[in-house]
Amino acid sequence: AQTVTQSQPEMSVQEAETVTLSCTYDTSESDYYLFWYKQPPSRQMILVIRQEAYKQQNATENRFSVNFQKAAKSFSLKISDSQLGDAAMYFCAYRGNYGGATNKLIFGTGTLLAVQP
Amino acid sequence: NAGVTQTPKFQVLKTGQSMTLQCAQDMNHNSMYWYRQDPGMGLRLIYYSASEGTTDKGEVPNGYNVSRLNKREFSLRLESAAPSQTSVYFCASVRGLWETQYFGPGTRLLVL
Repeated sequence: AQTVTQSQPEMSVQEAETVTLSCTYDTSESDYYLFWYKQPPSRQMILVIRQEAYKQQNATENRFSVNFQKAAKSFSLKISDSQLGDAAMYFCAYRGNYGGATNKLIFGTGTLLAVQP
Repeated sequence: NAGVTQTPKFQVLKTGQSMTLQCAQDMNHNSMYWYRQDPGMGLRLIYYSASEGTTDKGEVPNGYNVSRLNKREFSLRLESAAPSQTSVYFCASVRGLWETQYFGPGTRLLVL
């Protein structure tokens, strides 16, 4: 079975600095998607970025970028120029090819990011 | 465009009571999902509906039932609530196989 591990329960960053959140996963599949979701205190789950495993180029969305290392099964999120609004719980999630019928997400346990002014 | 909506936002139940959590999406998505979120455990899949008329168990289905009422609506029922079902429940939907899931705002459930 696939698993997702986030080994950093909490992280802290100074405003305007850069922080990297770690995520590793275990799978035997070759075709899958990876996601980072943000959950602010409102509890709303917000998609930050996604990466298709077949793409070698790392995904980027404005200040957010990933370092996808397929062989190492690593998928870290880098937040540049951190802002106070980035403070939230961040979840890494995996979606594999489950026979074509589903889109089940497997989540890590989350990293709580604090942004210091 | 409301996206994914959930009702209620918060509910308190006594052990043994029943209730139904409602979820609706207005994005014409085919698949819908129910997750629960517990401290330190991320989100875990309870049930899902790959398409209208079908439902399947996820990782933690015990104590729950679901109904895919139509393409828009997917409800989650607790027949006899237990304190272990105290959690935050999220509904999500997705249009197609390799597309992104969109989440509702969550329902916080407290079972005493």
